[in-house]
Amino acid sequence: DIQMTQSPSTLSASVGDRVTITCRASQSISSWLAWYQQKPGKAPKVLIYKASSLESGVPSRFSGSGSGTEFTLTISSLQPDDFATYYCQQYNTYSRTFGQGTNVESK
Amino acid sequence: EVQLVESGGGLVQPGGSLRLSCAASGFTFSSYSMNWVRQAPGKGLEWVSYISSSSSIIYYADSVKGRFTISRDNAKNSLYLQMNSLRDEDTAVYYCARDWQPVHHFDYWGQGTLVTVSS
Repeated sequence: DIQMTQSPSTLSASVGDRVTITCRASQSISSWLAWYQQKPGKAPKVLIYKASSLESGVPSRFSGSGSGTEFTLTISSLQPDDFATYYCQQYNTYSRTFGQGTNVESK
Repeated sequence: EVQLVESGGGLVQPGGSLRLSCAASGFTFSSYSMNWVRQAPGKGLEWVSYISSSSSIIYYADSVKGRFTISRDNAKNSLYLQMNSLRDEDTAVYYCARDWQPVHHFDYWGQGTLVTVSS
């Protein structure tokens, strides 16, 4: 199975900060990567798919980049609504796998 | 409006069985592959199982293989997960999630149903 490793596990930031989360795959997944945001008690919501495509309705401050085994999610200017947990997910194979999550908390 | 509504969760003893359902509406259910994803309390997301639109292709995570069975009824717009030989570590919120395209990202998720395995 393909393993996904996210870093950091926790990120402390302030409103207006530029935030970057990294996700590494144990083998090449081309661009078959999505990023999700999850808030407590809620289902995850897709932000980015195919590594860099912005889901409809998602603010443009979110962006994704990378290919192969290294990927990043960037929030250009953190907003109050963005404090949440973020997960990467590979879909290179039928057996999808998620990263362990990054909790973005208020500094 | 796309809606996925899970049901069937509850408290079950170790070794017991439970059947989860996911009722779909607002889209042509028979055209989409579907998945189950779970999240243990305070933990991350774990993909559980995949079923293609026609049920011809099915996959399971190693952690549930041989114990869980995914199925669907396109006439009833419903997805199911039969869970047998349940273990403490199966305690989680179970979500159904739609593939945007076959083997792609999940564009819609249900609200989840909690399964608690405990004696």
